[in-house]
Amino acid sequence: GEKVEQHESTLSVREGDSAVINCTYTDTASSYFPWYKQEAGKSLHFVIDIRSNVDRKQSQRLIVLLDKKAKRFSLHITATQPEDSAIYFCAASWSNNAPRFGAGTKLSVKP
Amino acid sequence: DTTVKQNPRYKLARVGKPVNLICSQTMNHDTMYWYQKKPNQAPKLLLFYYDKILNREADTFEKFQSSRPNNSFCSLYIGSAGLEYSAMYLCASSREQGGNERLFFGHGTKLSVL
Repeated sequence: GEKVEQHESTLSVREGDSAVINCTYTDTASSYFPWYKQEAGKSLHFVIDIRSNVDRKQSQRLIVLLDKKAKRFSLHITATQPEDSAIYFCAASWSNNAPRFGAGTKLSVKP
Repeated sequence: DTTVKQNPRYKLARVGKPVNLICSQTMNHDTMYWYQKKPNQAPKLLLFYYDKILNREADTFEKFQSSRPNNSFCSLYIGSAGLEYSAMYLCASSREQGGNERLFFGHGTKLSVL
């Protein structure tokens, strides 16, 4: 079955810098790659996704890149702000199945 | 209302005793999921319902049961809790099958087995 690996368990950046979180997956059939954010004391919530028919997607300060050949995708957060501090989870899935998650990256944005 | 509700938030159970966790959503979502989350580990998919069809993961097939008596409600049942079941249990839902749709998560139920 699908296995998703999230490469950075922790990441610390200065406010205003960019943060990059990298994930890899194993199943070539995977076609949907969402990202979730978990702030302290809160539940996971969706932030952005990318589908396999594109290799880049941007939503405000969030950019997701997908490299299907390398089975790799990444979340880029530009101009980071303190409220970006959270745990970010990547996931991968294919049609008619459920997402498999990475172990999470704890992002700290320092002033 | 885009919320998934889980009850209780905290659950204490004794080894060998049954545990029943409850989840509900009012978004009329077709699919509901249960994940097990341990510290510093990835949320692990246990099972999911697409409408009334239950899909269980092969490696947890016999450890967890579930029921979905209506579209809004889904339970997770552990027949005999062991210490290894101590974890956060996350319920989620999606409009269609999660292979192509974002999930909405509840706050989770933290299960401690003693």
